[in-house]
Amino acid sequence: DQQVKQNSPSLSVQEGRISILNCDYTNSMFDYFLWYKKYPAEGPTFLISISSIKDKNEDGRFTVFLNKSAKHLSLHIVPSQPGDSAVYFCAASALYGGSNYKLTFGKGTLLTVNP
Amino acid sequence: DAMVIQNPRYQVTQFGKPVTLSCSQTLNHNVMYWYQQKSSQAPKLLFHYYDKDFNNEADTPDNFQSRRPNTSFCFLDIRSPGLGDAAMYLCATSRDGQDYYNEQFFGPGTRLTVL
Repeated sequence: DQQVKQNSPSLSVQEGRISILNCDYTNSMFDYFLWYKKYPAEGPTFLISISSIKDKNEDGRFTVFLNKSAKHLSLHIVPSQPGDSAVYFCAASALYGGSNYKLTFGKGTLLTVNP
Repeated sequence: DAMVIQNPRYQVTQFGKPVTLSCSQTLNHNVMYWYQQKSSQAPKLLFHYYDKDFNNEADTPDNFQSRRPNTSFCFLDIRSPGLGDAAMYLCATSRDGQDYYNEQFFGPGTRLTVL
């Protein structure tokens, strides 16, 4: 039972255009959302995050939008660059056992930015 | 640079032969996590340590054990690897698992092959 879903396994965009990666979740207890980027042969690295009390967070070329009513978030990359080609994981944080927060990850979306 | 290190990067073992994967960190973080990631799947949390307190996920098989002898090191022991245990094993740390934002820092992973 996947609580965090990334329904697009892959996405291909042209350099300079916008990349939009989508993520849906089912657990209303998630209160913080993170995007991780993963290059081949490396571990995931944190990219950007958003609290459930916000609907937008921007950091340079990267913007994350959260629609709580739809349980949907998206990552926008503008303009896309070839170096952005990687797997992007959506992750959601929730409190478990009363004291510890844990992350639940989606399956990832492979983004390819073509020169 | 502060980082999360995993050794070895690639591990080959035989069916049923015990294997140990190693993780170390220079971030001085309180929490260390072990994830299993199979091809095209989401990273799946196996267990985590908050300081010396061990927290096992309910669906983690008994075949998987962990040790954390000190703040810097954490080990994943697979007592009798099966073919289904072939995967990428990711170690991660976070400063404090009781922070809702729970940003985790990942190592590069160990790719385990079971023959």
